[in-house]
Amino acid sequence: DIQMTQSPSSLSASVGDRVTITCRASQSISSYLNWYQQKPGKAPKLLIYAASSLQSGVPSRFSGSGSGTDFTLTISSLQPEDFATYYCQQSYSTFTFGPGTKVDIK
Amino acid sequence: EVQLVQSGAEVKKPGESLRISCKGSGYSFTSYWISWVRQMPGKGLEWMGRIDPSDSYTNYSPSFQGHVTISADKSISTAYLQWSSLKASDTAMYYCAREARYGSGSSSHYGMDVWGQGTTVTVSS
Repeated sequence: DIQMTQSPSSLSASVGDRVTITCRASQSISSYLNWYQQKPGKAPKLLIYAASSLQSGVPSRFSGSGSGTDFTLTISSLQPEDFATYYCQQSYSTFTFGPGTKVDIK
Repeated sequence: EVQLVQSGAEVKKPGESLRISCKGSGYSFTSYWISWVRQMPGKGLEWMGRIDPSDSYTNYSPSFQGHVTISADKSISTAYLQWSSLKASDTAMYYCAREARYGSGSSSHYGMDVWGQGTTVTVSS
């Protein structure tokens, strides 16, 4: 099984901050990496697929990068609606989610 | 509108059986795999397994293999997740999700682009 880790597990940030979340896979997964956003009481929402491709309708302040085992999700200027939990997911061999990173208000 | 609509909340006793559903609409149901994802209270997302509704071929996470069964009825565009004997530890929110395919051929990427609203399952004596 491919295991996924994320860091940090939580962070506090202010509106307008640049936020970076890291995801690491236990083996190389090329660019088979997705990012999701989940708000309390809601279903997850796909933000980024194939490590760096923006899902339709997702604001351009979200970006993804990386390949192999190390990946990042960056929010260039945090907005009030971005306070949520973010999950990475490998799609190289079926699917595995990372443990999540909670972004809350400083 | 493309959507997945899940069945309502369930309250069951340990040992009981259960089947929850996920009905797709607004797209060709047999053209996309459906995955099931568990979220235990206050915890993260866990991929359980998936089904190809066109032929009912399934993959399961090793963590869930043998504990749940995923099925589909393409004639009514509905996927199912079922348990034969529930445990208290099955208490969770369960989501179904459509797997979108990006690209073509062997280098295709898959992401879960449409999600159901979730079904809460509570197992308690």
